[in-house]
Amino acid sequence: EAQVTQNPRYLITVTGKKLTVTCSQNMNHEYMSWYRQDPGLGLRQIYYSMNVEVTDKGDVPEGYKVSRKEKRNFPLILESPSPNQTSLYFCASSHAGQIHNQPQHFGDGTRLSIL
Amino acid sequence: DAKTTQPPSMDCAEGRAANLPCNHSTISGNEYVYWYRQIHSQGPQYIIHGLKNNETNEMASLIITEDRKSSTLILPHATLRDTAVYYCIVRETTQGGSEKLVFGKGTKLTVNP
Repeated sequence: EAQVTQNPRYLITVTGKKLTVTCSQNMNHEYMSWYRQDPGLGLRQIYYSMNVEVTDKGDVPEGYKVSRKEKRNFPLILESPSPNQTSLYFCASSHAGQIHNQPQHFGDGTRLSIL
Repeated sequence: DAKTTQPPSMDCAEGRAANLPCNHSTISGNEYVYWYRQIHSQGPQYIIHGLKNNETNEMASLIITEDRKSSTLILPHATLRDTAVYYCIVRETTQGGSEKLVFGKGTKLTVNP
């Protein structure tokens, strides 16, 4: 089954303790992206990747890192989490290229609480 | 900012058609209209997309006006499981091809028994 898998689904942690949220897709998609969703602010893009070893900042990249060493994986790293990063996070993937106009597929989300 | 305008909420009776409008008056010629929905904090789910012609798939129909300034998503026989927030998105192409989706506030559709 074609899917985007995020782990963990839920995490409560403390300020400053490094954490990684994993994202994996099995559709051989070139493009992967991370969004965060907050009440009243909607979904905002954090980082994206057009292909292996190619990453770029989205609208709200501060406090986050990403890597794309393999095509299927796109982990989101919070080196020193802070309470303002408490949010619902979504990973998405699609084939790249405007000419394809392929829809993005989203994972089920990761709810992070930073105390 | 989102390039679309949608009503904040709508109601629909179960079994009836749900027609969700969207205005995108500043859409440019090569921009597609996408519809996604989000059921209670789950990941957004792709529904349908189109450029200028009307489109239909197993989930819904998309009607785009001839001037492309507005569109309507039609769920032909709404069920309780269609209760969700529906997002109309004009896909932006940024420099470098980020393919970012800009989600507005969407329409909260409630399907009533």
